[in-house]
Amino acid sequence: GAGVSQSPRYKVAKRGQDVALRCDPISGHVSLFWYQQALGQGPEFLTYFQNEAQLDKSGLPSDRFFAERPEGSVSTLKIQRTQQEDSAVYLCASSREWEGAFFGQGTRLTVV
Amino acid sequence: AQSVAQPEDQVNVAEGNPLTVKCTYSVSGNPYLFWYVQYPNRGLQFLLKYITGDNLVKGSYGFEAEFNKSQTSFHLKKPSALVSDSALYFCAVRAALLSGSARQLTFGSGTQLTVLP
Repeated sequence: GAGVSQSPRYKVAKRGQDVALRCDPISGHVSLFWYQQALGQGPEFLTYFQNEAQLDKSGLPSDRFFAERPEGSVSTLKIQRTQQEDSAVYLCASSREWEGAFFGQGTRLTVV
Repeated sequence: AQSVAQPEDQVNVAEGNPLTVKCTYSVSGNPYLFWYVQYPNRGLQFLLKYITGDNLVKGSYGFEAEFNKSQTSFHLKKPSALVSDSALYFCAVRAALLSGSARQLTFGSGTQLTVLP
């Protein structure tokens, strides 16, 4: 597709439930990023992939968060045993080397 | 470590007047600098970037930004604001040096721009 696609757009999860968020990057973009954006705040870095390799996961807030990109294209961010503080918009972005990241529309996760 | 400061949470300007949204940054080495805009319930849209070259960068929708190395600033500007420019604006930085941890963008906290008719 022409842009970064994320699904679902909205997700409501009961506390303790596991969720999986999907990102389809722009074709040919080797770099893929996940960010978490709280309401009214700037995006906070979670993790970075170069092709299928996860080169940086320093932003993942706990071991309940896990990301993968097994074939170097589609990526999934999984959150286990969701908690209320996980409620946020999760943004995926892809890029070539220097042109800046292109963002998807995000997945709004609400944990109730 | 890299960081971005957007000192104004809110900027109000009358339609037709020039606007400025301020951004200062901190990064090791040379910076790559970006501006993004976010409309309600939408993802971030790329506006413009500074990589190298001219300090005045022109981007989408008539926006421009001026890179000032001595002041470590990258302020966003537009000569004549439109009501439709009202949105949340984010400045972001990354280091030009290529390393695994440097590829991520670090964002400011955002500035809500309101253009009054």
